Amino acid sequence: LAKTTQPISMDSYEGQEVNITCSHNNIATNDYITWYQQFPSQGPRFIIQGYKTKVTNEVASLFIPADRKSSTLSLPRVSLSDTAVYYCLVGDFGAGNMLTFGGGTRLMVKP
Amino acid sequence: ETGVTQTPRHLVMGMTNKKSLKCEQHLGHNAMYWYKQSAKKPLELMFVYNFKEQTENNSVPSRFSPECPNSSHLFLHLHTLQPEDSALYLCASSQVRWSTDTQYFGPGTRLTVL
Repeated sequence: LAKTTQPISMDSYEGQEVNITCSHNNIATNDYITWYQQFPSQGPRFIIQGYKTKVTNEVASLFIPADRKSSTLSLPRVSLSDTAVYYCLVGDFGAGNMLTFGGGTRLMVKP
Repeated sequence: ETGVTQTPRHLVMGMTNKKSLKCEQHLGHNAMYWYKQSAKKPLELMFVYNFKEQTENNSVPSRFSPECPNSSHLFLHLHTLQPEDSALYLCASSQVRWSTDTQYFGPGTRLTVL
């Protein structure tokens, strides 16, 4: 099971672009990369998922280099409401592989 | 969002009480999960059900007993809990039990054990 490493915390200001990088050196061929967002006292919410190169949706972009050993979640023009914990998950289709949330990155957006 | 609901939202219980947490999903999913989130700790997966069958038990103490009567409902029965079991208990569901499948989480039950 691929282990992920993320920064514990990050600070930003409103209107800035925020990039959160996740390292997953042991990523396997079938693994996908998924990011979740969690506000205090709420369940995590799916943000974006990708396998390689770049994925973009209305909320964020996900950049995955060719070796897939890391990925970067990009949040454009953050606002105060983007203050949350962001989790990077890596997993595959294999039976018996439990899904593991790491410590996540606590993003604080300041005015 | 009301795709996954959990009741109660808050629960205070003594160590000798027996209580149950309920989760219901209205998304037509076939996999359901229980997670525990203690203060300032990562989410811990507790149990996984796929098509009503338990597929994972992450070494959870027997004082936590899950039940999945159908694909839409998931219960967590609690008895003789300890104060360290106080946490936010989250339920989630996904189409099937595949790790690439998006999980939808409920709002959680904040449990306090006195």
